[in-house]
Amino acid sequence: RKEVEQDPGPFNVPEGATVAFNCTYSNSASQSFFWYRQDCRKEPKLLMSVYSSGNEDGRFTAQLNRASQYISLLIRDSKLSDSATYLCVVNIRTGGFKTIFGAGTRLFVKA
Amino acid sequence: EAGVTQSPTHLIKTRGQQATLRCSPISGHTSVYWYQQALGLGLQFLLWYDEGEERNRGNFPPRFSGRQFPNYSSELNVNALELEDSALYLCASSKTGYSYEQYFGPGTRLTVT
Repeated sequence: RKEVEQDPGPFNVPEGATVAFNCTYSNSASQSFFWYRQDCRKEPKLLMSVYSSGNEDGRFTAQLNRASQYISLLIRDSKLSDSATYLCVVNIRTGGFKTIFGAGTRLFVKA
Repeated sequence: EAGVTQSPTHLIKTRGQQATLRCSPISGHTSVYWYQQALGLGLQFLLWYDEGEERNRGNFPPRFSGRQFPNYSSELNVNALELEDSALYLCASSKTGYSYEQYFGPGTRLTVT
């Protein structure tokens, strides 16, 4: 079982739609959580950190459920520019520390 | 504020050679991370340096090594290159501590022929 799992998609949505991405992690020693976006052949860019209390940044809302080991990202009012791959990222403290990236969920927003 | 920088942008080597990739972190960041992203695949954690020390490494053979300099810049060395080492190598930096957000450089695309 992968340590961080995401639905690979692709998600094809029209502009203005609301889309939700899910991510599960298997290691209970996971300490911190993030969402990144990656455009084709570019470096990942930090979208937002994810906190247990949930957090919102404009059209983006992230949630963390430690009991279910589950992270989500909600994008409201999708824009064409939201088309990208969304990566779920988990930092695990076990012995040392390591960062695990999910394989990503591909989003296409169409006019 | 300058972001993470990496050099070179592209690197072409032949099998068996050695490659050296360089990374300069964001000012004030002391942690540097290296990742490999093969074409069409996800990011794989390679190495983490903090305050000049290697703190952890991913599941890669010993021919992948590196170091961090006193100014917190870092280099990744790949010895005895193999064809499957062809990938985008990404460097990220953060403040000290594993909970901080990582910020990525544009990467070095290594091609092994």
